[in-house]
Amino acid sequence: GAVVSQHPSRVICKSGTSVKIECRSLDFQATTMFWYRQFPKQSLMLMATSNEGSKATYEQGVEKDKFLINHASLTLSTLTVTSAHPEDSSFYICSVTAGAQGGQTQYFGPGTRLLVL
Amino acid sequence: LAKTTQPISMDSYEGQEVNITCSHNNIATNDYITWYQQFPSQGPRFIIQGYKTKVTNEVASLFIPADRKSSTLSLPRVSLSDTAVYYCLVVGYGGSQGNLIFGKGTKLSVKP
Repeated sequence: GAVVSQHPSRVICKSGTSVKIECRSLDFQATTMFWYRQFPKQSLMLMATSNEGSKATYEQGVEKDKFLINHASLTLSTLTVTSAHPEDSSFYICSVTAGAQGGQTQYFGPGTRLLVL
Repeated sequence: LAKTTQPISMDSYEGQEVNITCSHNNIATNDYITWYQQFPSQGPRFIIQGYKTKVTNEVASLFIPADRKSSTLSLPRVSLSDTAVYYCLVVGYGGSQGNLIFGKGTKLSVKP
């Protein structure tokens, strides 16, 4: 399966600052990447679909101006949390889709823990 | 999109076989069934995927009845390290690659 990395693994920032999270597909060219958010003891929630060379598609209720997504290459997508607030503290996970045969399988990154003080 | 329903939690003991069932009554013809495992503070890890009947790999088996409205993940001889949350997803093939909706998952606790 595809190998996905994220950087940083954890970040602490002050309220009002912006934080950038990188998602890299290490061995697979991904035209599409997905960004999820997971709060403690809850399931993953899809935030947006990142499309290489075009605008991201955001899920209902996710502010596109707050969560900026850039997918400039086939191996890198970035999520920038702008003007972060404590309620943005969460576990952010990206994934890529791979699978020429059968169903599309999601391969996930290790996640980024964001803590906003 | 097919919604999935799983038990919230399950308990087991080391060495036992664990079967986690997922219902997906609205599964479409092109949908595949995929199971993921997630440990705390880690991204989900792919376990197994299937379309019908039975699929087996080195870590698990997946049983899918003919009507495909449910599926069962079977973990043989679990160990303490299998304690995790297990998610069942129904994913469309080809063009339906977006909008992966995660249910609440099943929290498996393996005891010594």
